[in-house]
Amino acid sequence: DAKTTQPPSMDCAEGRAANLPCNHSTISGNEYVYWYRQIHSQGPQYIIHGLKNNETNEMASLIITEDRKSSTLILPHATLRDTAVYYCIVRGVIYNQGGKLIFGQGTELSVKP
Amino acid sequence: GAGVSQSPRYKVAKRGQDVALRCDPISGHVSLFWYQQALGQGPEFLTYFQNEAQLDKSGLPSDRFFAERPEGSVSTLKIQRTQQEDSAVYLCASRQGLGELFFGEGSRLTVL
Repeated sequence: DAKTTQPPSMDCAEGRAANLPCNHSTISGNEYVYWYRQIHSQGPQYIIHGLKNNETNEMASLIITEDRKSSTLILPHATLRDTAVYYCIVRGVIYNQGGKLIFGQGTELSVKP
Repeated sequence: GAGVSQSPRYKVAKRGQDVALRCDPISGHVSLFWYQQALGQGPEFLTYFQNEAQLDKSGLPSDRFFAERPEGSVSTLKIQRTQQEDSAVYLCASRQGLGELFFGEGSRLTVL
């Protein structure tokens, strides 16, 4: 699976949009971009995933560049409850070894009042 | 239950003791994963089951770690002769088909 690079930490003001970047320059054509987050003392939680097109759900939006070498997770109106570590993960469509997720260090997002 | 359930939530063991950590996946979920998360780090893959078959155990750090899922539902992660470096949160996750992984809240192991 392709390696991802994320900033170690970010701050965001409550009510503002949080934009979390991720670089995955070695991504291959059949690999999806997944985002999970982990709130303190909890297990990781799925947020969203995408292949080529931008995706939106009730939690967030995912913007993937045309060359697919980077993506941005957008939380449109961040709240204090969005304070967490956010993981960007690249995983192949063909599930090798069960499609296990390989986590990096993630970005620690702090939403401040 | 509605989610992945893990027990115990907290376990303190003396160095050299054996421990067993239990995972109840979401009912009907075929795939089950175990991860180890050290303080300040991302989760690291340990092992994967499809039903009762352990298809990948490449992440188990030593032969002191053993996992089983005999009936294809509940799984147990056993650590023999615990060492201080085994102190971590052990996360279990399950999945139905090719959907997203659902994680439990983890079992925090502290080895003194």
